Amino acid sequence: NAGVTQTPKFRVLKTGQSMTLLCAQDMNHEYMYWYRQDPGMGLRLIHYSVGEGTTAKGEVPDGYNVSRLKKQNFLLGLESAAPSQTSVYFCASRLTGTYLNTEAFFGQGTRLTVV
Amino acid sequence: AQKVTQAQTEISVVEKEDVTLDCVYETRDTTYYLFWYKQPPSGELVFLIRRNSFDEQNEISGRYSWNFQKSTSSFNFTITASQVVDSAVYFCALSDPGESPGGSYIPTFGRGTSLIVHP
Repeated sequence: NAGVTQTPKFRVLKTGQSMTLLCAQDMNHEYMYWYRQDPGMGLRLIHYSVGEGTTAKGEVPDGYNVSRLKKQNFLLGLESAAPSQTSVYFCASRLTGTYLNTEAFFGQGTRLTVV
Repeated sequence: AQKVTQAQTEISVVEKEDVTLDCVYETRDTTYYLFWYKQPPSGELVFLIRRNSFDEQNEISGRYSWNFQKSTSSFNFTITASQVVDSAVYFCALSDPGESPGGSYIPTFGRGTSLIVHP
């Protein structure tokens, strides 16, 4: 049971470099989310998607772009990495709004350091 | 707008003590869901419980129990007879329809409570 898989698990970037984080889920979930976790700040929503081909901004979208070309994949891009983007990134997915399926399933996280 | 407040940043207890983690939420919607997640030192997020706004029945699962009170907008989590393995960061989260057509139900998280259980 793969669930939600994030790639890579760790990455070190130099300021100004670009990279893409991949999130893949095999549960046929409609909704997918990207969060970042910083000490003392909890999880903050970067972008989200309510279905294939759709994306929307969350609480802290600046400096990130996303794409959802396939239902099972949600990509998070950093065009020009900055030290402020050093964080742990979590992807999550959720089945559309029926009671029995409303919790979010999380990936294992990606630890990104920008130097 | 929705908001989740976990006022306790860190709690330190000795093994076998009972401990309660507080969670207070704000929402304008009548239909919403509440969650607790555990994040052990290994870093993954482990789902513990879900509650919908129409079900105020308290729940017990082993040493864990949850007290949902709509009157005070609280969803508190109690660990009875704590153990060292309970040491983790615990997050409370809320999802409601929001303003999107059909309801977005985006999970919004509190800042977490770090629980340290000493042997």
